[in-house]
Amino acid sequence: TQLLEQSPQFLSIQEGENLTVYCNSSSVFSSLQWYRQEPGEGPVLLVTVVTGGEVKKLKRLTFQFGDARKDSSLHITAAQPGDTGLYLCTRVPTFGRGTSLIVHP
Amino acid sequence: DTAVSQTPKYLVTQMGNDKSIKCEQNLGHDTMYWYKQDSKKFLKIMFSYNNKELIINETVPNRFSPKSPDKAHLNLHINSLELGDSAVYFCASSQDFNGYGYTFGSGTRLTVV
Repeated sequence: TQLLEQSPQFLSIQEGENLTVYCNSSSVFSSLQWYRQEPGEGPVLLVTVVTGGEVKKLKRLTFQFGDARKDSSLHITAAQPGDTGLYLCTRVPTFGRGTSLIVHP
Repeated sequence: DTAVSQTPKYLVTQMGNDKSIKCEQNLGHDTMYWYKQDSKKFLKIMFSYNNKELIINETVPNRFSPKSPDKAHLNLHINSLELGDSAVYFCASSQDFNGYGYTFGSGTRLTVV
């Protein structure tokens, strides 16, 4: 089973701040997905990245896949309380341990 | 119209009991999964079925038995429940076994007392 390291584990910020979370592996991904999980719900797919160096944007969220396809990052610009949740990266069927984000109003 | 539905949402039971969790998807997906999320929010794959055939069977106690009567349903039966089985169990589906784009159910919170 491929190990996925996510960092930081916890992040508590004020509304309007920017943040970046990371997902790393020692192995090459054929593809990688990011999910967000809100309390009491199942994870919801945000994006799939496939090509090394790929950048995808989803409103204020920017996802980047490393050139070597061993790592990925998620950058959130001007975070809002609605961004609060657990952010998970996955190389199916293995999930990372997640970054728990709290955005304070 | 719920895409992946699990029942029940909450389950409180005593040690030693046998219980089942049901999952149904109406997305026409071929592959379904069971995941366990522990108290630290770690999501761990338990089982996966593709068109009713078992394709992933991780190291899980044999007290856990999945059953897929058809490709739209994947149920989880647990025998002789233990305290350590307390967790949130998620069912998910994907179009095929490549797993691109899971759709998760909203989870079943199992508490063993």
